[in-house]
Amino acid sequence: GAVVSQHPSRVICKSGTSVKIECRSLDFQATTMFWYRQFPKQSLMLMATSNEGSKATYEQGVEKDKFLINHASLTLSTLTVTSAHPEDSSFYICSAVDPGTSATDTQYFGPGTRLTVL
Amino acid sequence: SQQGEEDPQALSIQEGENATMNCSYKTSINNLQWYRQNSGRGLVHLILIRSNEREKHSGRLRVTLDTSKKSSSLLITASRAADTASYFCATTGSARQLTFGSGTQLTVLP
Repeated sequence: GAVVSQHPSRVICKSGTSVKIECRSLDFQATTMFWYRQFPKQSLMLMATSNEGSKATYEQGVEKDKFLINHASLTLSTLTVTSAHPEDSSFYICSAVDPGTSATDTQYFGPGTRLTVL
Repeated sequence: SQQGEEDPQALSIQEGENATMNCSYKTSINNLQWYRQNSGRGLVHLILIRSNEREKHSGRLRVTLDTSKKSSSLLITASRAADTASYFCATTGSARQLTFGSGTQLTVLP
């Protein structure tokens, strides 16, 4: 099946710094990628939809100036958490749809990035 | 926002037993999917059932869908210790975004 990678897998940073997380589709081109956030023992919550070549679409309650999304190519989307604070500590997961398959609603998930803000 | 609830929240069974998880959702759907997540990892797609389907099988997995009750169930037969994970149902929105249920933590004891 399609493979999605994320980097880094784990990051610890100081409060006030910015952190960039990369999401790559390795063997397919993804015009659309999704970013989710998952707090401990909770479900995944969609943060934003990343569209290649255009602005991301953010879910209600997600600050677009704090969570910057760039989808500059068909295989890469980045999420930058700006001026991170301890409450931003979470598990961030991206996903992508492989338009080349018949199962076009199936999403392929990256392994996630554990962000800890001290 | 979450689409709905899953129950039970946690399920602990012995290896070899069957595990059943239920999911309810709120809006009309085109399809419903089930995903598995091992602790601290990404999600793995298990199975997709379309709104015009009532039951679907894949290996040891059996999924049912009742659109009149807005509910779905996932049955794992002959469970193994390696099935221990969190299981989430998810519905697909118009822009292909997924809305997840609250999840069931399954523990299969050897």
